[in-house]
Order: sequence, then structure tokens, then C-alpha cells
Amino acid sequence: RKEVEQDPGPFNVPEGATVAFNCTYSNSASQSFFWYRQDCRKEPKLLMSVYSSGNEDGRFTAQLNRASQYISLLIRDSKLSDSATYLCVVSRGRQTGANNLFFGTGTRLTVIP
Amino acid sequence: EAGVAQSPRYKIIEKRQSVAFWCNPISGHATLYWYQQILGQGPKLLIQFQNNGVVDDSQLPKDRFSAERLKGVDSTLKIQPAKLEDSAVYLCASKLGFRSYEQYFGPGTRLTVT
Repeated sequence: RKEVEQDPGPFNVPEGATVAFNCTYSNSASQSFFWYRQDCRKEPKLLMSVYSSGNEDGRFTAQLNRASQYISLLIRDSKLSDSATYLCVVSRGRQTGANNLFFGTGTRLTVIP
Repeated sequence: EAGVAQSPRYKIIEKRQSVAFWCNPISGHATLYWYQQILGQGPKLLIQFQNNGVVDDSQLPKDRFSAERLKGVDSTLKIQPAKLEDSAVYLCASKLGFRSYEQYFGPGTRLTVT
């Protein structure tokens, strides 16, 4: 079983729509959780960390459910510039460096005018 | 602040040939990673360095892949001999220290093995 599983999409949504991505992880010992964004033919960049209490950064909201080993990312009021691949990332360490990062396959989002 | 530098950006080789990739991390970053990203997949860690020491190389195919970071700064990743399935983007990432928060990725080297 893969360490991190994501729906690869693609998700095609109109501007202004709300879209949600989900991800599950297999190792209950996982400690840290992140969403990375990767534009086409570019490198991944950290979008936000995910905390059990949930966290919000502008139009982006991330949630973690440890009991279900489930992570989500919600994007409100989608912009054309949100078009990218969103990678769900899990670490067994408490910070990104203490142990390896395990990446999902990514969910591709296209926001349509 | 300059980002992670990688070269070359693109490389095409025939199977059984050798190839080397170079990475220069962000100045002062002690931790360096090499990842392999096959088309349609997420990055997979190959090796992690802390300064010039290897922290984790459990997923590095050691029969053909090797990496070094002799002076704790630049790093090279070598494949010898290459196979068709090695076609991928090779990403280098760095972060300030072992307990630092964020990894910063370079633009990657796109390798095509024919």
C-alpha cells in the first residue's frame, strides 16, 4: 500500500468555485503533514502545513483527521493562478527534516475562465 | 536570496550510458536531498545528506546510483549505467538544518534515457 494516496484528478473548475482535495496516509506513526504546490514543469513549493486543529491561509484551508488518517485542502473562490498540481505530503518526524517526506502522486487542478 | 541551483536542466542519454547531475543548495543549508520524480508521480526521496554525511539512502538503487557531498555544500548524483526506467526529473532540495521546517527545491534536471 502506498504511503500517501491522492485522487490524481484532473479537477476542472470555473473561476470562483470552491474545490476540495483529499488524501489518506497509511502509516499511523506519521507526525507532520503538508500540502505542496507544483506548477507544470516547475519544482514543488510548500503551500501550507496541516494541523489537527485545522488551519487557514487566505482562501486555503487545510484539515487533518488523525483517527481516519485523512488530510484535506479546500480552496475557496478559485483563481486562474490556482491551476497547478497539489501534492499531499506526510512525514514521520515532527518537522519536515527529522524524517523523510512522503509525497502523494498529486491532484491536478485547472481553473477555467 | 539565491535558490537551489541545479545543472544541467535537461539531459538525453542512451541506455547503459553514464550521467551526473549537480546541485548547489541555498547558502548555509546543512541538509540536502535528492529526489526522483517520474512523470505523473510525486517526488520520491533517493538520498538525504546532513552536511557531508549520509542520513538516509535506503531508497537509492545503489547498484547504479551514487551520490556525494564531499565538502558539505555542493552535491552530485550519478547514474551508471542508466536504464530506460531512470527517465525522470531529478530534484535537489535543501533546508537550513535537521530540524528546520521547510525544504526548498531546485528546478530539477529532466533526464531522458533512450
